[in-house]
Amino acid sequence: KNQVEQSPQSLIILEGKNCTLQCNYTVSPFSNLRWYKQDTGRGPVSLTIMTFSENTKSNGRYTATLDADTKQSSLHITASQLSDSASYICVVSRYNTDKLIFGTGTRLQVFP
Amino acid sequence: DTEVTQTPKHLVMGMTNKKSLKCEQHMGHRAMYWYKQKAKKPPELMFVYSYEKLSINESVPSRFSPECPNSSLLNLHLHALQPEDSALYLCASSHSIWTGGQETQYFGPGTRLLVL
Repeated sequence: KNQVEQSPQSLIILEGKNCTLQCNYTVSPFSNLRWYKQDTGRGPVSLTIMTFSENTKSNGRYTATLDADTKQSSLHITASQLSDSASYICVVSRYNTDKLIFGTGTRLQVFP
Repeated sequence: DTEVTQTPKHLVMGMTNKKSLKCEQHMGHRAMYWYKQKAKKPPELMFVYSYEKLSINESVPSRFSPECPNSSLLNLHLHALQPEDSALYLCASSHSIWTGGQETQYFGPGTRLLVL
């Protein structure tokens, strides 16, 4: 079954600290993996996209990694800011289909 | 311009009302999507349009009726909705659906719908 699981479900950190979010998937055949950031009540915004051959991708303070062998990805946030408070969703595409398989997300709250 | 716009931002309707949600993009994308998202859940795909033709209908009840009048516009007509249809409705677009899942979908801000 094609699934995307994320952990933790929720996370609270202090401003300035780093954190890492995890994503495990069982999607096959794999095409690519994206991390989206979704503010409450808003649409998701793409942070990174990685294909099978890529194992790391950065976007400012966000760094995503991908291990296609173990089917795991992580999103590392450096020097967190209050504006990082949001849900982070791991989304995997199957090859030759446009349907996205969404993870359930990690709700991150950054406190001052 | 990498923006997908949606109107209205908020909508409250009764179960006997007829309303429409609108979505617009000017990125030249030929694939457009409707998603439904309940609180603390991931988005669920409802419909996919490719080149203004309905490509995917994820067994959505007929009280939701999509329409794609041209390549830039996507509507979702609502009629006789139920309270459980209350959710955030997201529109998205991508360059095409014929790229093996390589395209990034750009999401709009959503319409927050409340059915009373």
